[in-house]
Amino acid sequence: GDSVTQMEGPVTLSEEAFLTINCTYTATGYPSLFWYVQYPGEGLQLLLKATKADDKGSNKGFEATYRKETTSFHLEKGSVQVSDSAVYFCALSDSRYNFNKFYFGSGTKLNVKP
Amino acid sequence: NAGVMQNPRHLVRRRGQEARLRCSPMKGHSHVYWYRQLPEEGLKFMVYLQKENIIDESGMPKERFSAEFPKEGPSILRIQQVVRGDSAAYFCASSPIQTYEQYFGPGTRLTVT
Repeated sequence: GDSVTQMEGPVTLSEEAFLTINCTYTATGYPSLFWYVQYPGEGLQLLLKATKADDKGSNKGFEATYRKETTSFHLEKGSVQVSDSAVYFCALSDSRYNFNKFYFGSGTKLNVKP
Repeated sequence: NAGVMQNPRHLVRRRGQEARLRCSPMKGHSHVYWYRQLPEEGLKFMVYLQKENIIDESGMPKERFSAEFPKEGPSILRIQQVVRGDSAAYFCASSPIQTYEQYFGPGTRLTVT
């Protein structure tokens, strides 16, 4: 079945460091891919998305490219800030059903130190 | 526009009791989704509801769990006779139409003692 695997955390970086959070997926159809972010005490917020192969999603300095050949959707940011500290979830949406069924990774906690 | 609201934020129940989790979708949203996150795992889909209808409950455990979204009022996820394995964070999301843009609430953390 469909699934998402993302790197375990926590990831601890210094401010202005480069960030990569790996995400790979398994899907039988043509899924859409997402990154969600969860700040402490809040719900998940959509960070970026890509709906087909080779699409690049970007938002707030974060980027991820939908790579069908490697079934990956790695999250990157060139220079992290303390305010980026949060839990990041990779997800795929299987639209074969009559609605978009989401599959989430287990989340990667990012700690950014000043 | 207020976001998706869930209450309570934290709920403690003893084994055998009932747990009721409430979700108020964003204004104008008529689609509600429930997800469960067990410790150290990702969110897992449980059920998708529209007003007064359960559209897909393929992720719901066969026993003890039920969900509803009445014409008026919040969506309710009910867990009867809770067991320790039900301890988890339960997230609700809503959307205006069938769309990937699901808006999540802050979650209810259920602890069964």
